Amino acid sequence: ETGVTQSPTHLIKTRGQQVTLRCSSQSGHNTVSWYQQALGQGPQFIFQYYREEENGRGNFPPRFSGLQFPNYSSELNVNALELDDSALYLCASSRAAGGPYNEQFFGPGTRLTVL
Amino acid sequence: AQSVTQPDIHITVSEGASLELRCNYSYGATPYLFWYVQSPGQGLQLLLKYFSGDTLVQGIKGFEAEFKRSQSSFNLRKPSVHWSDAAEYFCAVAGMDSNYQLIWGAGTKLIIKP
Repeated sequence: ETGVTQSPTHLIKTRGQQVTLRCSSQSGHNTVSWYQQALGQGPQFIFQYYREEENGRGNFPPRFSGLQFPNYSSELNVNALELDDSALYLCASSRAAGGPYNEQFFGPGTRLTVL
Repeated sequence: AQSVTQPDIHITVSEGASLELRCNYSYGATPYLFWYVQSPGQGLQLLLKYFSGDTLVQGIKGFEAEFKRSQSSFNLRKPSVHWSDAAEYFCAVAGMDSNYQLIWGAGTKLIIKP
């Protein structure tokens, strides 16, 4: 069983640019959640996708957007990058959305640096 | 407001010694509680979780945690740490108030002395 994978591992961008991060969910999982983890902080929930539809969003501006594809892989897009967007971006997949019983399995993350 | 507090940013423990990592939460509804571990270059891994029932829960890698409703705490313990336990540990809470999305503490970095 393949775990959650994310690409790229590291990324450096400049302010104002746009970035796309990718996530492949674990086999059999139809739900993907994205988190931002700033240095020295716990993860912050960005949004969740369930069967290609957004299924909940945290306190992030609209320039953070996402997609989920029919194979349940997902993308996180961030427009107009700001210095504060520098963080580790984590993707997690689960068998279903809703409720705490669906354990989330995390990828290793993408480290984004905005200069 | 929903929040999770991990009071210790770093903890240093000698190998073989016992460990307790503290976690306090503020949550209106019945909380579901979790402990995750994050090692460098690896994803967050679930150590254990509490939903209901016995307030002492056992997890992987020899960890356990005790839910104390009166103290709003969910502390993580291990009787004897190994050098491989060096990592960052995160406590998280979820429930109806957050639409079951995880709310995380800031983490505690565990350092093991040889």
